[in-house]
Amino acid sequence: ELKVEQNPLFLSMQEGKNYTIYCNYSTTSDRLYWYRQDPGKSLESLFVLLSNGAVKQEGRLMASLDTKARLSTLHITAAVHDLSATYFCAVDDTTSGTYKYIFGTGTRLKVLA
Amino acid sequence: ETGVTQSPTHLIKTRGQQVTLRCSSQSGHNTVSWYQQALGQGPQFIFQYYREEENGRGNFPPRFSGPQFPNYSSELNVNALELDDSALYLCASSLTSGDSYEQYFGPGTRLTVT
Repeated sequence: ELKVEQNPLFLSMQEGKNYTIYCNYSTTSDRLYWYRQDPGKSLESLFVLLSNGAVKQEGRLMASLDTKARLSTLHITAAVHDLSATYFCAVDDTTSGTYKYIFGTGTRLKVLA
Repeated sequence: ETGVTQSPTHLIKTRGQQVTLRCSSQSGHNTVSWYQQALGQGPQFIFQYYREEENGRGNFPPRFSGPQFPNYSSELNVNALELDDSALYLCASSLTSGDSYEQYFGPGTRLTVT
């Protein structure tokens, strides 16, 4: 069964610092998604990565995908308080013919002023 | 283009009762998936409907059921509610066609079972 692991689970960082969240998955998949979730809210789509080597950037966030290593990273540059949220990666699991997402455990990010 | 909508926003039920959650898919989408997100965890896949037929189920018992309607809206019915069913329920719609698999999530329904 496809497993998706994120680390760290919790991240407390100072404003202005850089950090990377890692997402590892256990079987072959060419599609990976990053979401942001604020407390009590639904999922906000951040990035859709559809091929090996894909890199996307939006503001202070940059995501990349290495399908051979089964690894995606979400890099935060010069963090600001507004980035405080929980971040999830999700991988397409099409092995059973059902196009479902398998989500990671989530990384709870707190940016300290 | 209308996005995915869900109703109700919040719901409180008693253990043993039954509940129905509703989802309207994004216009043009033919697939709907339901996810359960317990507090502090990532969403877990419940089941998926494609053109009104169940197209896969996660590790959830039969008391979690559909259906999907001809207009591709969907319901999640949960019978014999248990305390552990308390969670945020997310509906996601998608267009299963060629290489297009991205799912679009609704705002969710928060279910509390007491």
